[in-house]
Amino acid sequence: AQKITQTQPGMFVQEKEAVTLDCTYDTSDPSYGLFWYKQPSSGEMIFLIYQGSYDQQNATEGRYSLNFQKARKSANLVISASQLGDSAMYFCAMRANTGGFKTIFGAGTRLFVKA
Amino acid sequence: GAGVSQTPSNKVTEKGKYVELRCDPISGHTALYWYRQSLGQGPEFLIYFQGTGAADDSGLPNDRFFAVRPEGSVSTLKIQRTERGDSAVYLCASSLGVNNEQFFGPGTRLTVL
Repeated sequence: AQKITQTQPGMFVQEKEAVTLDCTYDTSDPSYGLFWYKQPSSGEMIFLIYQGSYDQQNATEGRYSLNFQKARKSANLVISASQLGDSAMYFCAMRANTGGFKTIFGAGTRLFVKA
Repeated sequence: GAGVSQTPSNKVTEKGKYVELRCDPISGHTALYWYRQSLGQGPEFLIYFQGTGAADDSGLPNDRFFAVRPEGSVSTLKIQRTERGDSAVYLCASSLGVNNEQFFGPGTRLTVL
């Protein structure tokens, strides 16, 4: 069965510092994609970053990078130089290519950025 | 429009009633997804459309839930005989294809009294 686990219900970070949000996943499919989304209090889901299971390098998008450790089945999100606007819920998600087309989301981590 | 739109933004109904929730995806996106998000949880997959057909409806909780996408663009999620447990935010997302990132709409908040 496919599963996404986010073990940090809440995280605090000081403005301008970096923060790592944890995500582990479980799938028996060798081909899969991993996603991170941000959900501010307004409720809309915002795509941040994608990592394919066969990608050789860790994905980066601006201040976001994905620390992909395939053997450990982890896909942690690193946010560098945190900003007050980064305060939001963050969801890790996975789509396994032979598990149908469903995308499985974790329970989320709420990030609080302190001034 | 530029993004995914959903109507209505809020829907309050009584137990036992029928509701329809509409999703207008980004133009040109062939893939469309419906999710349900309860308070404090991540989105829960309901159904995926590729074009007009439901390629994966394994997330629909029971036969009271049904979705259509007759012309491969707008989709409607239909819930019959609503129950209080159906109260949630229903999210729609679209993507260019199944391997591309999904763009989400603002959601419809459904409240069943």
